[in-house]
Amino acid sequence: AQKVTQAQTEISVVEKEDVTLDCVYETRDTTYYLFWYKQPPSGELVFLIRRNSFDEQNEISGRYSWNFQKSTSSFNFTITASQVVDSAVYFCALSEPDRGSTLGRLYFGRGTQLTVWP
Amino acid sequence: EAGVTQFPSHSVIEKGQTVTLRCDPISGHDNLYWYRRVMGKEIKFLLHFVKESKQDESGMPNNRFLAERTGGTYSTLKVQPAELEDSGVYFCASSHGGTALSGYTFGSGTRLTVV
Repeated sequence: AQKVTQAQTEISVVEKEDVTLDCVYETRDTTYYLFWYKQPPSGELVFLIRRNSFDEQNEISGRYSWNFQKSTSSFNFTITASQVVDSAVYFCALSEPDRGSTLGRLYFGRGTQLTVWP
Repeated sequence: EAGVTQFPSHSVIEKGQTVTLRCDPISGHDNLYWYRRVMGKEIKFLLHFVKESKQDESGMPNNRFLAERTGGTYSTLKVQPAELEDSGVYFCASSHGGTALSGYTFGSGTRLTVV
């Protein structure tokens, strides 16, 4: 079974619209970490956010916000007032620590291709 | 500080040939990871080095793939002989380790095309 599910394969919006990218995860660990990465057309993976399982406080960073809900095993990402430069593939990922506090492997979702039209 | 560097950025080879990908992690990062994304699918874990030792290589698809990390510095991933299904983007990441706060830093990836 996939540990991270991003059900939306592609999303298209027009500039200035708000858009939410969904992420649902599965783990038996009580301690884990959730991530979002952005992959622009240039190809690199750009770190956006890391959340640990004990911190359910939602976070806002400029036009970006994240909604972490353990009750539904979801870690959704919202872009407010989207811009053309937001066009990219967005990946959600889960890490289950290996041997204590060391980061283990990342389990990625399949990614959501976001296209923002001018 | 310099980021994670991967070389080459692109490689096109014929089926049956050998290709070697290189990753230079951030200096001082003990943990080095290789991942691969085949077209349209999720990014999948290949293996994890701690210094020069393989901590977890359970993601390596088969014995045509060989990863090494000389002296705990840079790492190479060799594919020999390459097959069509090996095409994809190969990412390398490094982390400081010892604490979960440091996170991962990814390289820009190597796009491998086997024809």
